[in-house]
Amino acid sequence: DAKTTQPNSMESNEEEPVHLPCNHSTISGTDYIHWYRQLPSQGPEYVIHGLTSNVNNRMASLAIAEDRKSSTLILHRATLRDAAVYYCILREVNSGYSTLTFGKGTMLLVSP
Amino acid sequence: DAGVIQSPRHEVTEMGQEVTLRCKPISGHDYLFWYRQTMMRGLELLIYFNNNVPIDDSGMPEDRFSAKMPNASFSTLKIQPSEPRDSAVYFCASSPPGSRGWETQYFGPGTRLLVL
Repeated sequence: DAKTTQPNSMESNEEEPVHLPCNHSTISGTDYIHWYRQLPSQGPEYVIHGLTSNVNNRMASLAIAEDRKSSTLILHRATLRDAAVYYCILREVNSGYSTLTFGKGTMLLVSP
Repeated sequence: DAGVIQSPRHEVTEMGQEVTLRCKPISGHDYLFWYRQTMMRGLELLIYFNNNVPIDDSGMPEDRFSAKMPNASFSTLKIQPSEPRDSAVYFCASSPPGSRGWETQYFGPGTRLLVL
């Protein structure tokens, strides 16, 4: 499986934008980029996914580099409730069901 | 709609005892996953089912662990006998059908297991 690299932790202030980077230099053309997050004492939850184009949803935006070797999860206005571990995961298309392989993720700390 | 339901939420047991964790997936989902999370190893996939059939159990740590899915709405993960190193949070997740690489997994709240 192609691997991802994320910073161990990042800090942000409430109400400010947060850009969480992910490097995936060995990504293949059939890999989707997924982001999940895990709030304290909860199970992981889906945030967003994309293939080539930038994506937006109510939770976040996903910016994908043109060569697809990196991506950035953008939280437009961080709140205290966004403090969580964020996981960047690659999933291969068209190989049967593609399971999730979680790395260590990035722990996001949000200060008031 | 109810999400993935797990029980019990907390379990404390003594070494050597049998432990059974339970999961009810979201209705209509035909994939079910069992994960284990520890500080040392992070979040690991133990086993997953499709249409009640185990597809990949390569993550099951040893023969003390077994999982079943007797029907589409219920699964169990059993540890017998339990050991202190089995202490972890166990998550169940379910997913709708598909093989496009983007199907979302929905996780339950987890069962926090402590083996003394």
